[in-house]
Amino acid sequence: QTVVTQEPSLTVSPGGTVTLTCASSTGAVTSGYYPNWFQQKPGQAPRALIYTTGRKHSWTPARFSGSLLGGKAALALSGAQPEDEAEYYCLLYQGGAWVFGGGTKLTVL
Amino acid sequence: QVQLVQSGGEVKKPGASVKVSCKASGYTFSSYGISWVRQAPGQGLEWMGWISGDNVNTNYAQNFQGRFTMTTDTSTTTAYMELRSLRSDDTAVYYCARDEAFGVDYWGQGTLVTVSS
Repeated sequence: QTVVTQEPSLTVSPGGTVTLTCASSTGAVTSGYYPNWFQQKPGQAPRALIYTTGRKHSWTPARFSGSLLGGKAALALSGAQPEDEAEYYCLLYQGGAWVFGGGTKLTVL
Repeated sequence: QVQLVQSGGEVKKPGASVKVSCKASGYTFSSYGISWVRQAPGQGLEWMGWISGDNVNTNYAQNFQGRFTMTTDTSTTTAYMELRSLRSDDTAVYYCARDEAFGVDYWGQGTLVTVSS
C-alpha cells in the first residue's frame, strides 16, 4: 500500500520561511499526483490551501505557495505568522485513490 | 456560499452500524463529488472514498471496501456514508468534503462517531 511521507515536525521563526515536503513511496511526485495541501488547527476541520501542485484557493493567504521540489510536492510559507502554527497535510492521487500524508506539525516560535 | 453541514455525533456499540449525513448547499450538487475522510483521536487524516454527486460512480479506499457504503440523494443535495460492523478503532471524526476532481476544497464540520460498549 502506498505511503505518503511528511516531516513530523518543523519550527519556523515569526517572519521566517519554511518548506514542508510530501514524498510518495512509489517514486517521484509529479503533477499527475495532483498534490493538495491542507491546514488543520486543533478542534477544527481541515482547510484547503493548495490544489494541483501550486494553485491557490480564493481564501489562501499569499504567503503560502505550492510546487514540486526534488521529486516531492512542497508547500512553502514565506513570512510566517503566529496564526500559521498548525498541522499541515498533503494529499496525493495515486493508484486511483487519494492518500494523505501523515502530517507536519508546524510551530511558529 | 458553499456549505457542507453534517449530522450530529453518534455513540454506537461494537457491531452496530452508523449513518452520517452531509447536507450540501451553495453549488450545483450533481456537478461535484464528495469525499469522506476520517480522523481518529490524535491521529492524521485518512481518505475513505469518493462518490459522484449524481450517485453514479464510487471509489472506495482499499481499507474500507466491504463494510462502508456511500450514497447521495440529489433531490435533497445530501450525501451519506454508512459504516457497518463497527469496532472500537472506528472511533473517529468523520468529515465530508467537496471533491472537485483534482482536489478537495470545502469541508463539513465533522461528525464524531464513538464506538464503545
